[in-house]
Amino acid sequence: AQTVTQSQPEMSVQEAETVTLSCTYDTSESDYYLFWYKQPPSRQMILVIRQEAYKQQNATENRFSVNFQKAAKSFSLKISDSQLGDAAMYFCAYKEKDFGNEKLTFGTGTRLTIIP
Amino acid sequence: NAGVTQTPKFRILKIGQSMTLQCAQDMNHNYMYWYRQDPGMGLKLIYYSVGAGITDKGEVPNGYNVSRSTTEDFPLRLELAAPSQTSVYFCASRALSGKSDNEQFFGPGTRLTVL
Repeated sequence: AQTVTQSQPEMSVQEAETVTLSCTYDTSESDYYLFWYKQPPSRQMILVIRQEAYKQQNATENRFSVNFQKAAKSFSLKISDSQLGDAAMYFCAYKEKDFGNEKLTFGTGTRLTIIP
Repeated sequence: NAGVTQTPKFRILKIGQSMTLQCAQDMNHNYMYWYRQDPGMGLKLIYYSVGAGITDKGEVPNGYNVSRSTTEDFPLRLELAAPSQTSVYFCASRALSGKSDNEQFFGPGTRLTVL
């Protein structure tokens, strides 16, 4: 069974600095999706960034980028120029590409605090 | 577009009561999902639907039922509420294909407490 592990329950960073959140996963599949979701205090889950396993290039969305290491099964999220609005729970998630398999497996989350 | 909407936002139930959590989306998405999020945990899939009239179990379906009579609506039914069902429930949807393929859009959640 696929598992997603986030080993950092909490992280903090100074405003305007850079922070990296870790995620590892376990799978026997060769092609799949990986996601980072943000959950602010409002509880709304918001997609931050997505990576397809067959794409070697790391995904980037403005200040958010990933370091995808397929062999190591690692998918870390880097937030540059941290802003107060980045404070939230961040969840790493995995999904197989198989049609008909709709399970999105989440990690337990990392709570990110931004220090002004 | 309102996106994915859920009602109610909060609810307290007594053990053994039943209720329906409502979910609607106005994006014409084929896929819809129900998740639960327990304290300190990630989301777990309860049920999902790939289109009107088609539903399937997820990871934690026991104690719940769903139906999908229209593309827009995907209600979640709790028949005999138990304390173990105290959780935050999220509904989500996604398109079958396109630019945002496999991106799930989430509702704001329903916080349910069973006492």
